[in-house]
Amino acid sequence: AQSVSQHNHHVILSEAASLELGCNYSYGGTVNLFWYVQYPGQHLQLLLKYFSGDPLVKGIKGFEAEFIKSKFSFNLRKPSVQWSDTAEYFCAVPNNDMRFGAGTRLTVKP
Amino acid sequence: GAGVSQSPSNKVTEKGKDVELRCDPISGHTALYWYRQSLGQGLEFLIYFQGNSAPDKSGLPSDRFSAERTGGSVSTLTIQRTQQEDSAVYLCASRQDRGNYGYTFGSGTRLTVV
Repeated sequence: AQSVSQHNHHVILSEAASLELGCNYSYGGTVNLFWYVQYPGQHLQLLLKYFSGDPLVKGIKGFEAEFIKSKFSFNLRKPSVQWSDTAEYFCAVPNNDMRFGAGTRLTVKP
Repeated sequence: GAGVSQSPSNKVTEKGKDVELRCDPISGHTALYWYRQSLGQGLEFLIYFQGNSAPDKSGLPSDRFSAERTGGSVSTLTIQRTQQEDSAVYLCASRQDRGNYGYTFGSGTRLTVV
């Protein structure tokens, strides 16, 4: 079964800093990949998804992720973070269910 | 309903007691999932219901955990003889059909076992 791993457990940035959160997936075949976000006290929400085509995927709120097959990676990026981006971010890959990484907590200092 | 509804939102129980957590999925969503979110552990898959098929129970951590889905709609997750390590947020999600990855998550039930 496919799986994903996230190695950054907690990232602390100042506002306007650039963000990159790592996600690596386990399977070399056809792969669909997702990033979800959970703001404090809120539901998990879909941030962006990759199915095929352009490996650079644009999501909501200025986030993007790049699918790099040779590196088995799907890192999440944002050029300039805001305090409101403070949340937990999960990379995920579907099997019959959605399998999530351990999550990365992002704290943005105002 | 408009979203996935879970109840109760918070539950404190004594070690050894049984608890039932409820999930009301979005009407018409055939797939329903239970996940557990523990501090520092991310999201752990528990069980998956798809239509009338037999559920995928491969994520249930022990035989104290069980779930059912009645009439293809409401689901109940039951934890028997609760232990402190069962303390977590239990999340339910539903999805429209097999080919649609548009999961909608509920707000979860925070279970604390004391």
